Amino acid sequence: DARVTQTPRDKVTEMGQEVTMRCQPILGHNTVFWYRQTMMQGLELLAYFRNRAPLDDSGMPKDRFSAEMPDATLATLKIQPSEPRDSAVYFCASAPTALQDQPQHFGDGTRLSIL
Amino acid sequence: QQQVKQSPQSLIVQKGGISIINCAYENTAFDYFPWYQQFPGKGPALLIAIRPDVSEKKEGRFTISFNKSAKQFSLHIMDSQPGDSATYFCAASSGGGFKTIFGAGTRLFVKA
Repeated sequence: DARVTQTPRDKVTEMGQEVTMRCQPILGHNTVFWYRQTMMQGLELLAYFRNRAPLDDSGMPKDRFSAEMPDATLATLKIQPSEPRDSAVYFCASAPTALQDQPQHFGDGTRLSIL
Repeated sequence: QQQVKQSPQSLIVQKGGISIINCAYENTAFDYFPWYQQFPGKGPALLIAIRPDVSEKKEGRFTISFNKSAKQFSLHIMDSQPGDSATYFCAASSGGGFKTIFGAGTRLFVKA
């Protein structure tokens, strides 16, 4: 069963450190999303890519967050410097095409704690 | 106007009962309404979805009812089972874009 793989599953680090989260989308999926989930804000879209090109990153704090797709099998989300308010679960999702009604397949998330 | 309002925040239902979760939206440009199910420690997974040209869609025990004029839609889970205990999110997106707006989620607990 094809699935989106995210690493690490859990990350605990101190404020000010750089954090890198990785995502391997389902093979053949050309659209990749990054979401952040918190109790207060729910599920928020941070950025998404189509064919490795960023289409929308308006949900992402630009001063400290960056998202890239170095190749079709890897998406990264970096936070530098990290802050306690960045503590959340970060999900990557992929979809087979850019069509609206294609289901987004989510990974199991990276649980990030910034001390 | 981009919000999707979801209620209730939590729901407890007896096994075999009907679970009902409601959502409302303002943006009339939304034309695709998926529901996602999330279990603890897992990412959300698409459960069922509807477009506003139909008023109801049923898949097994799960039914979406859609009221375009009221800008409301709801998820009904018939014969609710303990295995249905999860968090449910309604969502909405508009054609041509991929930006999906999620509701705040409803935590469902089905008592055995």
